[in-house]
Amino acid sequence: KAGVTQTPRYLIKTRGQQVTLSCSPISGHRSVSWYQQTPGQGLQFLFEYFSETQRNKGNFPGRFSGRQFSNSRSEMNVSTLELGDSALYLCASSSGGRGLGETQYFGPGTRLLVL
Amino acid sequence: AQTVTQSQPEMSVQEAETVTLSCTYDTSESNYYLFWYKQPPSRQMILVIRQEAYKQQNATENRFSVNFQKAAKSFSLKISDSQLGDTAMYFCALYTGNQFYFGTGTSLTVIP
Repeated sequence: KAGVTQTPRYLIKTRGQQVTLSCSPISGHRSVSWYQQTPGQGLQFLFEYFSETQRNKGNFPGRFSGRQFSNSRSEMNVSTLELGDSALYLCASSSGGRGLGETQYFGPGTRLLVL
Repeated sequence: AQTVTQSQPEMSVQEAETVTLSCTYDTSESNYYLFWYKQPPSRQMILVIRQEAYKQQNATENRFSVNFQKAAKSFSLKISDSQLGDTAMYFCALYTGNQFYFGTGTSLTVIP
């Protein structure tokens, strides 16, 4: 079974631009979560999508948005990029059941550099 | 609010030795799971081990084991017989049913 894939792997943008990142979950997984990883901050939860609906949201400004398609693939969009948005963006998929203990499977990440 | 704290930003260990990574957490939930994830350099994050809060027995996975102290809200990871491939960033995570909360990570280097 193929793992979680993310595209693109690397991205360079300038301040003020917008960017869209893509995540394809493991086949059969219906939940996709997005995280921002920066040195010293660890992983910060952005949002989770399940069956095309945002199920949970972290404490990020409205410039960060996402969506999920019927095939469970998810996209994350960041508008009006700021220097501080430079980070590794990880997505993780799981089957999506609300039972505790579900393992999340992570993608390789998209490294975004904002100049 | 849920928090996860990893107080050791960096650690090193000699190959074949044992090392323990610390993690403390805070939650008001009575039922939750704790995880250790490993992120090797430039590679994907993978699950190392997980612990169910209602189970008193400490989880083990081959060379990896945890010391789960529920009352103290402590969840440390012990790596026995350290190998070069254990060099990675290790993240402790708490899951309460809505989302995962991660610590800031411990960078572990295994020295040959």
